[in-house]
Amino acid sequence: EPEVTQTPSHQVTQMGQEVILRCVPISNHLYFYWYRQILGQKVEFLVSFYNNEISEKSEIFDDQFSVERPDGSNFTLKIRSTKLEDSAMYFCASSRSGTSSLNEQFFGPGTRLTVL
Amino acid sequence: GIQVEQSPPDLILQEGANSTLRCNFSDSVNNLQWFHQNPWGQLINLFYIPSGTKQNGRLSATTVATERYSLLYISSSQTTDSGVYFCAAVPLGATNKLIFGTGTLLAVQP
Repeated sequence: EPEVTQTPSHQVTQMGQEVILRCVPISNHLYFYWYRQILGQKVEFLVSFYNNEISEKSEIFDDQFSVERPDGSNFTLKIRSTKLEDSAMYFCASSRSGTSSLNEQFFGPGTRLTVL
Repeated sequence: GIQVEQSPPDLILQEGANSTLRCNFSDSVNNLQWFHQNPWGQLINLFYIPSGTKQNGRLSATTVATERYSLLYISSSQTTDSGVYFCAAVPLGATNKLIFGTGTLLAVQP
């Protein structure tokens, strides 16, 4: 069964460093998402991406964040200068559609980011 | 924006017991999903259920869209059912961003 994959599973970085989180969405899906979950809290939407551009972003997704689909399979989230409060689990998700009955989102296993 | 509330916040069961988890949402939705977050933090899709009833083994879910709630039933619970259960919704007419509830933490004891 097709699934969303993410790498790395765990990333430790120093404050101020850049990190890139990678995702491979399900192959016939067209909509891609990033969410994050701070330890012990609920999952929060960061950004949605369709047709090579951002569809929507939350207030959390400030100028330090960017997303890219560099090729036909990968979808990346970059944090330019990490802060302590960026420590969280980051989930990638994808869906076939954005509005119809095919808008079920499937999540990857997550990347746990720890900023020291 | 839409509010998604879950109850109870915590639940402790003995193995073999049944349980019902509730999700209330404040607006009409075109996507309602249930997830199980396992001890490793992975979000496992349980149901895509903007309306109606579905069953998958010991789990079933019902969404009554007109009354803005969804229920997740777990029957004959097992220790592997432990974890956090989230519901998440997309408001009708909105872009496809899921708004998550705060979850129900379930502990099934042997």
